[in-house]
Amino acid sequence: QKEVEQDPGPLSVPEGAIVSLNCTYSNSAFQYFMWYRQYSRKGPELLMYTYSSGNKEDGRFTAQVDKSSKYISLFIRDSQPSDSATYLCAMKSDNAGNMLTFGGGTRLMVKP
Amino acid sequence: DTGVSQDPRHKITKRGQNVTFRCDPISEHNRLYWYRQTLGQGPEFLTYFQNEAQLEKSRLLSDRFSAERPKGSFSTLEIQRTEQGDSAMYLCASSLQATNTGELFFGEGSRLTVL
Repeated sequence: QKEVEQDPGPLSVPEGAIVSLNCTYSNSAFQYFMWYRQYSRKGPELLMYTYSSGNKEDGRFTAQVDKSSKYISLFIRDSQPSDSATYLCAMKSDNAGNMLTFGGGTRLMVKP
Repeated sequence: DTGVSQDPRHKITKRGQNVTFRCDPISEHNRLYWYRQTLGQGPEFLTYFQNEAQLEKSRLLSDRFSAERPKGSFSTLEIQRTEQGDSAMYLCASSLQATNTGELFFGEGSRLTVL
């Protein structure tokens, strides 16, 4: 079993919908949680970063971390066709040096 | 363009050949990372440099893989005696701060196809 699990999708939604993307993880030592967005044939780019538990909001994006359930979420409000991409969660523990552990990614398609 | 640059973007080689990829990080970034990404999977950590020192290596990095970062600027990743299982996207990233903050700047990757 992988340390970080994501539903690969694809997740197809109409424009304007609220999107919920999720990751579960098994390593309780993870303290730092990130969401990256990856467009086709491009490198990942950081969307959101959260330390430990709680919520963080940035524009249309909200990241939630529930360490007790080992579950993190990314919500996208008022989704746009330009949000169509693969969303990767990534995590890090204090004892893992500089290594990020990524989930497999969820492919999102927002239809006009 | 001041982003992370990788070359070549795509390499097709026959099994058993050696290949080398180059990464030019963002100029002021002293931290450099190599990741490998296979189709439908997330990136997997390979190695990390701080300036010219290779400080971390994944168990994924077999003896056939070697990475260097002479003078703490560009980096190269060489794969010797390539195998079909090496086919993947090799991503380079750089950062100014430690990965606790999560901000890695990735290049567009070098795709390797081993026939």
